[in-house]
Amino acid sequence: EDKVVQSPLSLVVHEGDTVTLNCSYEVTNFRSLLWYKQEKKAPTFLFMLTSSGIEKKSGRLSSILDKKELFSILNITATQTGDSAIYLCAVEQSSDYKLSFGAGTTVTVRA
Amino acid sequence: EAEVAQSPRYKITEKSQAVAFWCDPISGHATLYWYRQILGQGPELLVQFQDESVVDDSQLPKDRFSAERLKGVDSTLKIQPAELGDSAMYLCASSYWTSNNEQFFGPGTRLTVL
Repeated sequence: EDKVVQSPLSLVVHEGDTVTLNCSYEVTNFRSLLWYKQEKKAPTFLFMLTSSGIEKKSGRLSSILDKKELFSILNITATQTGDSAIYLCAVEQSSDYKLSFGAGTTVTVRA
Repeated sequence: EAEVAQSPRYKITEKSQAVAFWCDPISGHATLYWYRQILGQGPELLVQFQDESVVDDSQLPKDRFSAERLKGVDSTLKIQPAELGDSAMYLCASSYWTSNNEQFFGPGTRLTVL
C-alpha cells in the first residue's frame, strides 16, 4: 500500500526562525512529489518535484527531492506569521496520476 | 484569476438526510477531482473525472455516495443517506488534463452531520 508520511505533525516557531518539514514516501510508479500550503481553506500549490537533487525555490520557500532515499524536505526561512498553515505533501503515481497525500504538518509562527 | 467554485461552503445536516455539493472547475480543465479531507488528515481522492467519464471511483463508498459530471463541465457529489462519519471537508480540484497534475483546489464544502 502506498504511504506518504510527514513529520513533524506540528511545530511552533517564532518569526524569523527557519523550519524544515519532512516528507517520506513509499509508492509504486513514482512520478512526482508536490507540496501544498493549506490555510483555513483549499490547498494552494507550492512546488512539483520530479528530479533528485534539484532545489526548487520560491521566495523564502525551497524544496528538494531525494529519489534514492525516498524523501523530500520543504524549508521556510525567515518565517512570518503568514506562513502559519498546514503544509501537505502529495506523491503522484505515473500509472494513473493519482495523488496520495500525507497527513500534513501544522506550522504555527508566533510574532 | 480563474478559480474553482464550490457551493455551499458549509452544510449542516442530520444523519440519514441527503446532501449535495456542487463544483465548477476552471474553464478548460478536462480533469475534475473530488476529495474528502477528515480533520487532521490529508485529502483522500473519492472520484476522478476526465471530461464526463469517471476515471477512478475506487474509493467512493458507492452504497451512499454518487457523483456525476454530465456535460463534462460542472459536477455534483451526493451523499444519501448521510452518516456521522461523513463529517469532513469535501474538496473539488481540477487540472488541464490528468497527466498535468498541477491541481487547483476550490474552497471546499465543510459538512457537519449531526
